Amino acid sequence: AQTVTQSQPEMSVQEAETVTLSCTYDTSESDYYLFWYKQPPSRQMILVIRQEAYKQQNATENRFSVNFQKAAKSFSLKISDSQLGDAAMYFCASEGGSEKLVFGKGTKLTVNP
Amino acid sequence: NAGVTQTPKFQVLKTGQSMTLQCAQDMNHNSMYWYRQDPGMGLRLIYYSASEGTTDKGEVPNGYNVSRLNKREFSLRLESAAPSQTSVYFCAMGAGTSTPGANVLTFGAGSRLTVL
Repeated sequence: AQTVTQSQPEMSVQEAETVTLSCTYDTSESDYYLFWYKQPPSRQMILVIRQEAYKQQNATENRFSVNFQKAAKSFSLKISDSQLGDAAMYFCASEGGSEKLVFGKGTKLTVNP
Repeated sequence: NAGVTQTPKFQVLKTGQSMTLQCAQDMNHNSMYWYRQDPGMGLRLIYYSASEGTTDKGEVPNGYNVSRLNKREFSLRLESAAPSQTSVYFCAMGAGTSTPGANVLTFGAGSRLTVL
């Protein structure tokens, strides 16, 4: 069974600074995907970024990037130049071929002006 | 939310009452999902449907039934609601690609259910 662990229930960052959210996972699959979803106060789940496990290069999407350490089963999300609109719950998730996403418990990010 | 519509958005029930959460997608995707979200627990999969006419249990299926009568709709039914089923429910759709792990999910806006 897959498991996803987010060890930081809450994080805070100053506007314009950089923050890193941690995620570790466990899977027996050789081919899998990893995701970060954002959930703002509106409750909508929004895909932030995804990483294919077989790719060495870390995924990036504008100010969002990941640090994927396959051997360590670590998948952290870095948010650069943080903005007030980045304040949200962030969920890490994995999917290993069963088409079912397994989510971590989430990290609440606060952005201070 | 683009592609996935859930109804109702809010519902209050009394213990023992039944209700059905409706979900419809307009992207002609194969796979659909029901998740529940509880504080401090993340999202947990209740049921999953890989295609029309097929369903599979997820992590927390007890107390729920689902129906996938056509490709577009996937409903979640609570036959006898309990306070432990107070939660926010999300329906999602996925492209269900043949590539393992490439299934990006698109979520509905969520339904907040309170059972008194």
